[in-house]
Amino acid sequence: DTAVSQTPKYLVTQMGNDKSIKCEQNLGHDTMYWYKQDSKKFLKIMFSYNNKELIINETVPNRFSPKSPDKAHLNLHINSLELGDSAVYFCASSQDQGSYNEQFFGPGTRLTVL
Amino acid sequence: GENVEQHPSTLSVQEGDSAVIKCTYSDSASNYFPWYKQELGKGPQLIIDIRSNVGEKKDQRIAVTLNKTAKHFSLHITETQPEDSAVYFCAASIKTGGFKTIFGAGTRLFVKA
Repeated sequence: DTAVSQTPKYLVTQMGNDKSIKCEQNLGHDTMYWYKQDSKKFLKIMFSYNNKELIINETVPNRFSPKSPDKAHLNLHINSLELGDSAVYFCASSQDQGSYNEQFFGPGTRLTVL
Repeated sequence: GENVEQHPSTLSVQEGDSAVIKCTYSDSASNYFPWYKQELGKGPQLIIDIRSNVGEKKDQRIAVTLNKTAKHFSLHITETQPEDSAVYFCAASIKTGGFKTIFGAGTRLFVKA
């Protein structure tokens, strides 16, 4: 049974389009995250949600809007896609906001903007 | 702001040799230091972690050391095997309102058979 799942796995789209990536975790965790991994493998946090509430927003452009309908889901909507948005996006979850928590990562969504 | 530096960026070793990856962090309030392994096409997976009140931790072939004074921590893999080939990330976690994990830039480890 997949712990953290993301859809789609691959997303190819044109500049200016709007797209969404979905994430679900079946671990019963309270906290979920979105990370961006660029072509050099650098992994940077974008957002963190705890029990559907936004906790961390790392100065991500307003074109990125996360939504958490319930604590098992954290979706990412991106408006007006730009070339620089091309990357692999990882969703992750942890038991709660405590600092000693292991994060469980999804398989990633490779976004390519043409 | 918080920063984690990781070296080397690439490491190539012969099967059976040891591999060492080193990291430094900037924020002295960091209290948790996980290490993640990322295999090709997959998400990162925790392999070992250490808390700030501990200097060393070992789990079979992998060990981590932490020097809080120098803000250094390291990953040691002994008796490397080809399946150890992956990208390894160090990270430091800090509580700043929410819980934030800052990752190093990653080390691509190649283990040659």
